[in-house]
Amino acid sequence: EAEVAQSPRYKITEKSQAVAFWCDPISGHATLYWYRQILGQGPELLVQFQDESVVDDSQLPKDRFSAERLKGVDSTLKIQPAELGDSAMYLCASSLVDLGRGETQYFGPGTRLLVL
Amino acid sequence: AQTVTQSQPEMSVQEAETVTLSCTYDTSESNYYLFWYKQPPSRQMILVIRQEAYKQQNATENRFSVNFQKAAKSSSLKISDSQLGDTAMYFCASNTGGNQFYFGTGTSLTVIP
Repeated sequence: EAEVAQSPRYKITEKSQAVAFWCDPISGHATLYWYRQILGQGPELLVQFQDESVVDDSQLPKDRFSAERLKGVDSTLKIQPAELGDSAMYLCASSLVDLGRGETQYFGPGTRLLVL
Repeated sequence: AQTVTQSQPEMSVQEAETVTLSCTYDTSESNYYLFWYKQPPSRQMILVIRQEAYKQQNATENRFSVNFQKAAKSSSLKISDSQLGDTAMYFCASNTGGNQFYFGTGTSLTVIP
């Protein structure tokens, strides 16, 4: 069964350093999402792509976070510089089409980030 | 913005018993989708069940079923014949058909042998 791949699974970094996370969605899925999940809370959307275009990045802290999906397939989320408050699980999800049709999202295993 | 509320931070149930997890949401839309996701410890989030608001019939998937009360804006997840593998965080989520997908804060369910 096809799955969403994410790497690394765990990342420890010092504040002010740069970190990058990678996501490979299920083949053929046009929509890709990056979520941040703070311990004890539900996921919050950071950015949504439809193919290579950003559809929604209203909750992305653009002064330090950036995301790209250059060829409309895999995606990279970057934080520079990292801050203590960025410690969280970063989840990637994909869906076949836009959620406008109530499509199911499929989640990857996540990258757990710890900023020291 | 929509809000999704899960008022039960933690629940426990004896193995083989039935448990119901509660979820309320706030939306002004007439057509929307509600989801229940399961996140086992250290494992990825997976879809448990999906409810379409325009369908009157409650969704059912094997041991999992939804009690959907549209007027009350409530969507409860019932797990029958609880199994040890059901131990996980359960998230309720809503989507009105736009871009945003709103999650509740989750309910941690423990199945006791």
